[in-house]
Amino acid sequence: KNQVEQSPQSLIILEGKNCTLQCNYTVSPFSNLRWYKQDTGRGPVSLTIMTFSENTKSNGRYTATLDADTKQSSLHITASQLSDSASYICVVMGSGDKLTFGTGTRLAVRP
Amino acid sequence: NAGVTQTPKFRILKIGQSMTLQCTQDMNHNYMYWYRQDPGMGLKLIYYSVGAGITDKGEVPNGYNVSRSTTEDFPLRLELAAPSQTSVYFCASSITEYTEAFFGQGTRLTVV
Repeated sequence: KNQVEQSPQSLIILEGKNCTLQCNYTVSPFSNLRWYKQDTGRGPVSLTIMTFSENTKSNGRYTATLDADTKQSSLHITASQLSDSASYICVVMGSGDKLTFGTGTRLAVRP
Repeated sequence: NAGVTQTPKFRILKIGQSMTLQCTQDMNHNYMYWYRQDPGMGLKLIYYSVGAGITDKGEVPNGYNVSRSTTEDFPLRLELAAPSQTSVYFCASSITEYTEAFFGQGTRLTVV
C-alpha cells in the first residue's frame, strides 16, 4: 500500500532557529515528490517539486532534499520566522500519476 | 489573477439536503481537482478533470458529482448530504499533472 509518513507530527521552535522535517514514503514507482505549506484555514501552497534525478532544491529559506534510494525526503527551514508557523505536507506522485498525501507536520514558531 | 476561487467558505447542511460547491480559476489551467481534508488525515482526491468536458473519479467519489463545461469552472455537487461528508473541501488546478497545483482557500462543510 502506498504510504507517506511524516515526522514529527508537531514541532515548536524559537524564532531564528533552524529545523528539519522528515518524509518517508513507500510509493512505487516514484514520479515526483512535493512539499506544500498550509497556513491555518487556508489552502496548501507549493514549496517545491522534486523529480527522481534531483537531490536538493531550494526555495528561499526552504531547502528540500530527496534520497530516492532510501525513499526519504527532508525539508529544512533556515532562520525561522513567525510566518513559518503552518502545517507542512509531503506529497508523492506514483503509479498512474496518483498523489499520496502525508498528514503533515504542524510547526509553531515562537518569538 | 485571483487564482483559484471557491465559494462558499462555510456551510452547514442538514442530512439529506443537496448543495453545489463552486470553484473557478483564471489561470487557464487544464487540470482541476476536488479534494477533501479530514482532521488528522491526508488530502483525498474526490474527482478530477483534465479539460473541459472530461471528468474522472478519484479515491473517494461516492456521494459526489462534478461537471466541467468550461475551462474555468469545476463545481462539485453533493446529493443527499450525510454526516460523513463533514469535511474541508479544496479545489485545485494545475497546468499538467506534473506541475504544481494551486489551491483555493477551502470550503468548510458541516452536515448535521
